[in-house]
Parts: sequence; C-alpha cells; structure tokens
Amino acid sequence: GENVEQHPSTLSVQEGDSAVIKCTYSDSASNYFPWYKQELGKRPQLIIDIRSNVGEKKDQRIAVTLNKTAKHFSLHITETQPEDSAVYFCAAAEGGSQGNLIFGKGTKLSVKP
Amino acid sequence: DVKVTQSSRYLVKRTGEKVFLECVQDMDHENMFWYRQDPGLGLRLIYFSYDVKMKEKGDIPEGYSVSREKKERFSLILESASTNQTSMYLCASSLFQGRDTEAFFGQGTRLTVV
Repeated sequence: GENVEQHPSTLSVQEGDSAVIKCTYSDSASNYFPWYKQELGKRPQLIIDIRSNVGEKKDQRIAVTLNKTAKHFSLHITETQPEDSAVYFCAAAEGGSQGNLIFGKGTKLSVKP
Repeated sequence: DVKVTQSSRYLVKRTGEKVFLECVQDMDHENMFWYRQDPGLGLRLIYFSYDVKMKEKGDIPEGYSVSREKKERFSLILESASTNQTSMYLCASSLFQGRDTEAFFGQGTRLTVV
C-alpha cells in the first residue's frame, strides 16, 4: 500500500518569510495529492491539491509542486502570516483504490510576528 | 456547504465498554472514512466504505469495526474499549468513487478511555 513521508515535523519561520514542506510517496500509481491545513481545535480542510498531469499549481500565496519521477511533492507558502500557523498534512490517493487518502504525519508550522 | 457531523465532541468511556462513534454527512457522498489522529503519527486510516453495507479495512483496523446501513451514516465501533484507543477520531466523506476528490472532515471526537 501507499506510504507517505512528510518533513519537517515542525517548522518555525518569521512573518514574511517563505515556508516549504516536503512529502514523498511510494505508490507510483497515485495520481492525486492534496494538502490539508488543521488549525488548533478545528477539522482539517483542503487548501490546495495537484493531479499527476501537472507539475505545479498556485493559489495566491500557496503553491504545490509535483515530481512524479522522484515521487515527491512540496507545499510552498510565501509571505507567511501569523494566521498560517497550523498543522499541515500532505496526502496521496492510494493507487488502485477508490479514493483512499493516505496522510503524512503532519508539519506544525509556527509563524512568528 | 458539505456538512460532516460527528455525534459527540468529547467522550469518556471505561475500559471494556462497547463504544459507538457516529458520523453523518448530508451531501450524498459515496465514500466515508474513519481516521485516528495522534500527535506525531498524523491521520491513520481505520476503515472506509464506498457504499452502503460495504466496508474495507484501512491501516489500523484492529480493535475496531464499522457499520454503514444507510448512505449518509457511518459508525465506528470499539468492541471492547482499551486505554490505547484514547485518541481523536475523525470521520470524512468524499463524493466520487475516484481517486481525486476532496475529503471533507467532521469536527472530531476526542475519546478518552479510563
């Protein structure tokens, strides 16, 4: 089955700096890679996703890149703000399945004002 | 707006009790999932279901079972609760039987087994 590794587990940046979170996956049949943000005490919510037919996707200050050959994908947040502080999870839809998402262990991002 | 609702926000149960965690979604989603969230371990899939009366084991099914008698409701059952099942439990649902659809999460149930 799919295995997703996520690094780093914690990340602290100064407001205005960029933050990068990296994930690798094991199943070459996986084709869908979402990122979820979980604020303290709240449910995870999708912030961006990427499918295997593209290499990069942007949404304002957030971007995701995908390298299918190397089986890794990354989340980039530019001009970080204190409200970006949260736990971020990457995930991969298990190849051959009907939508199972296998998650990484999460990255706790702290943005210091 | 998709709504995924879990029946309890907090639960305290005794060791050996049978525990039911209920999840209801209101958007006619085919897929429903139960995850367990523990610090440093992320979200681990316990069970999932693609259709009524259908269930499949995830990565950590031991000690759990599930029931899906109606499309909108997916129940997680702890047959005999143990202290190592103290955790946050998250239910999720998604629309299609495909591999690239957004999962919507419930607010979570924090279960403490004493």
